[in-house]
Amino acid sequence: SQQGEEDPQALSIQEGENATMNCSYKTSINNLQWYRQNSGRGLVHLILIRSNEREKHSGRLRVTLDTSKKSSSLLITASRAADTASYFCATADFGNEKLTFGTGTRLTIIP
Amino acid sequence: NAGVMQNPRHLVRRRGQEARLRCSPMKGHSHVYWYRQLPEEGLKFMVYLQKENIIDESGMPKERFSAEFPKEGPSILRIQQVVRGDSAAYFCASSPDAGYEQYFGPGTRLTVT
Repeated sequence: SQQGEEDPQALSIQEGENATMNCSYKTSINNLQWYRQNSGRGLVHLILIRSNEREKHSGRLRVTLDTSKKSSSLLITASRAADTASYFCATADFGNEKLTFGTGTRLTIIP
Repeated sequence: NAGVMQNPRHLVRRRGQEARLRCSPMKGHSHVYWYRQLPEEGLKFMVYLQKENIIDESGMPKERFSAEFPKEGPSILRIQQVVRGDSAAYFCASSPDAGYEQYFGPGTRLTVT
C-alpha cells in the first residue's frame, strides 16, 4: 500500500449520519494533516495532529492518531450536504517538510 | 489576511511552449511548496523553497521543470517545452515555518493541447 492510503475510497451516507475515514502510512511521521477538496477546487486544511498527540477535535471533526499502528481516522459527526468532498490525509516525516498525500476518500452526503 | 494566491487559474499551452505558474504565499509565510495533482489522484510533492533557496526538489522532474522564490515577488514554477503529460492541476502551499500547517492556493489548471 502507499504512504497515506485512505480507506474507504468512496463513502455515501445520509445527511445527519457520522462519516469515518481511515488513513494508513508507513514511515515515522512528525505530523499528519487532513485536507478537504471540493470538486475542481483547492485544498482546505482541516486539522493537524502531531506524532505525540492521540486525538484532536475541531468543531464536528475528530481526528485520532495511533503511531503504533501507523494509522489515523477522521470522524465527521452530524454530516451535512456541504461536507460532500474528497478528503485526503497527508504525512510529514521528521526533518522533511514535504507532505505525502494519499489518494483520498470521496465522501457523498445524501440529503 | 489574504490566502495563498495563484495565477493564472487556468492556462492553456500548445506542446513545446513554456508555462509559467505564479504563487504568492500568505502574508508572513516564507516557506513555499509546489504540488501536482493528476486527474483522480492525490497530490504529489514537487519542490520546497524558502526565500531565494531551494530546500528540497526531490519531486521535480529532472528536465524542463524549474522553480524559484526570489527575494521580492512571487514564487514561479516554470515548465519548458510542455508535453501533454504535463496537463494537471498545480498547487502551491505556504507555511510560516517548518513543521506547521501548509495552506494551499486554489491551483492552476494547466492544459496542454
